[in-house]
Amino acid sequence: DTEVTQTPKHLVMGMTNKKSLKCEQHMGHRAMYWYKQKAKKPPELMFVYSYEKLSINESVPSRFSPECPNSSLLNLHLHALQPEDSALYLCASSQGDTYFSTDTQYFGPGTRLTVL
Amino acid sequence: GQNIDQPTEMTATEGAIVQINCTYQTSGFNGLFWYQQHAGEAPTFLSYNVLDGLEEKGRFSSFLSRSKGYSYLLLKELQMKDSASYLCAVRRAGYSTLTFGKGTMLLVSP
Repeated sequence: DTEVTQTPKHLVMGMTNKKSLKCEQHMGHRAMYWYKQKAKKPPELMFVYSYEKLSINESVPSRFSPECPNSSLLNLHLHALQPEDSALYLCASSQGDTYFSTDTQYFGPGTRLTVL
Repeated sequence: GQNIDQPTEMTATEGAIVQINCTYQTSGFNGLFWYQQHAGEAPTFLSYNVLDGLEEKGRFSSFLSRSKGYSYLLLKELQMKDSASYLCAVRRAGYSTLTFGKGTMLLVSP
């Protein structure tokens, strides 16, 4: 089973709203990732959690706030977003063994976010 | 830093064979991955290479030459459903993160 689930599938929000994206995996993976993807562009890494600790923040604006409540769950809290933040937000997970080259990231279906 | 290049677009005919190339420059190479992504959907893992040579998985094969910083994805017996973007991604040693190329949009026509 290589399933990563994400909710909601679609989200429309105003610039003053607060919303959260959720990601879940039950593969025992210890690394989880948030990516942002604009149309016809590759995924762009935002955050990495390793063993439930934030290990990488790719200089993402503070209006995006990640949270890892436990090893299976990853949230992305959104507040005061801008229209240019509209994109597909992808969650991924991997075993997290950085010394093993076989460590493979598996992606969830994504949340299509539109900011009005 | 890392630099990954792949063609922007390719076209091919149903039933044919197509090769999508990827060249990269990185320090401390620790694996090259290929993903398929249909429009509006998530990337799906296809294959990875860490040692030189060819890895075969059904209709899909991936090749790596570390000395040349070069990989290709070979798709055989093309089907219409193979129309998608193909992403080449490289991982550096000691990191769990991937750096993605810009993707190659493959269009398969009847």
